[in-house]
Amino acid sequence: DTGVSQDPRHKITKRGQNVTFRCDPISEHNRLYWYRQTLGQGPEFLTYFQNEAQLEKSRLLSDRFSAERPKGSFSTLEIQRTEQGDSAMYLCASTGMENYGYTFGSGTRLTVV
Amino acid sequence: LAKTTQPISMDSYEGQEVNITCSHNNIATNDYITWYQQFPSQGPRFIIQGYKTKVTNEVASLFIPADRKSSTLSLPRVSLSDTAVYYCLVGSSYSGAGSYQLTFGKGTKLSVIP
Repeated sequence: DTGVSQDPRHKITKRGQNVTFRCDPISEHNRLYWYRQTLGQGPEFLTYFQNEAQLEKSRLLSDRFSAERPKGSFSTLEIQRTEQGDSAMYLCASTGMENYGYTFGSGTRLTVV
Repeated sequence: LAKTTQPISMDSYEGQEVNITCSHNNIATNDYITWYQQFPSQGPRFIIQGYKTKVTNEVASLFIPADRKSSTLSLPRVSLSDTAVYYCLVGSSYSGAGSYQLTFGKGTKLSVIP
């Protein structure tokens, strides 16, 4: 296992289209997080899964955003009716029960034109 | 969550030791101090975590004074590849079933000059 994988690395979409990102965490990690990062800012928390259960969601996660983690393995983040303000780097991270430091993926950079 | 304050940017020449200080006046008793490094177009990478005194690993050292209201990340003999943004975070370690959200500030952009 080489770490947290995210796909795609880059996505350019037209405003109003739906997009879906995938995250494959480290296999033994049961906790999975999504963060969003805009230029010049630190990452901001979006949502958290423990196994397949989505336990926390940020107020940043509008109704157009939905995240799933079926079977407690990989996770998907979908954005419906994208807006230009959704342009950002979407980061996935995972950690085990001991939570000693996150492992982040390389992120998916979304550009909405 | 305790708020952190760190310099926006720092410059250093190759081979020098770099010390980045972070202030966290409202740190709670059960809070740990964690530093992450982020290169452009990559996710943050965990560097080091500590609670008090000094912690050292193969990458960096973390100095925490007795009052824990600040901490200093020390990078020995930096190279060009250490050019990155460094984030200082403060929060309690996970325990129980709750999540462990990380609250990032803007970080310190370190530029290493040849």
